Amino acid sequence: VQLQQSGPGLVKPSETLSLTCAISGDTVSSSSAAWHWIRQSPSRGLEWLGRTYFRSKWMDNYAASARGRITIIPDTSKNQFSLQLKDVTPDDTAVYYCARDRSFGFDFWGQGTLVTVSS
Amino acid sequence: DIQMTQSPSSLSAFVGDRVTFTCRSSQTIYSYVNWYQQTPGKAPKLLIYESSKLQSGVPSRFSGSGSGTHFTLTIDSLQPEDFATYFCQQGYNTPRTFGQGTKLEI
Repeated sequence: VQLQQSGPGLVKPSETLSLTCAISGDTVSSSSAAWHWIRQSPSRGLEWLGRTYFRSKWMDNYAASARGRITIIPDTSKNQFSLQLKDVTPDDTAVYYCARDRSFGFDFWGQGTLVTVSS
Repeated sequence: DIQMTQSPSSLSAFVGDRVTFTCRSSQTIYSYVNWYQQTPGKAPKLLIYESSKLQSGVPSRFSGSGSGTHFTLTIDSLQPEDFATYFCQQGYNTPRTFGQGTKLEI
């Protein structure tokens, strides 16, 4: 399994942060996996943002701190999932990771993307 | 949200030592704790899941124990590549939460 992240490293305040995680070796619609976004910053440490997963239908859960601004979108045609975080501020500056969870911890991670929010 | 508290925040040790890290949860999480190792510039790596189960490919000098609210990660006979930061994480419910980490230094 490999997770390959892509997306811009610089986002302006009030704009939308968009990152994509391409999956190889598994499928985003797997009934035994969930697909997560996690970020890490010196001030917040490791912070879980949300997940998407398929169990007869698509499900998602989000951190309360980001709810209303965050959407995680699966794309079965490209076997990937994306993070969209709206109305960013400098406090959203962090390294963002995608990760897989099969109920046994986050066993595979993307390489990480440093996203800086600055004008 | 379940709070995960790790102690100590940093630890100094020698190659060959045995070290133990502690993680406490703010409420019972049964055995749903996972441990990760992170080196600078890299993503965390899963070491232990469900408190005591060794992830495939992880050396047997790593072990975990605990249940309820108190958990430990032990490394027997430290190797140079073990000097890193270690995090616990609860997998009991969402939001998933992490401890703040313990930095293991030479």
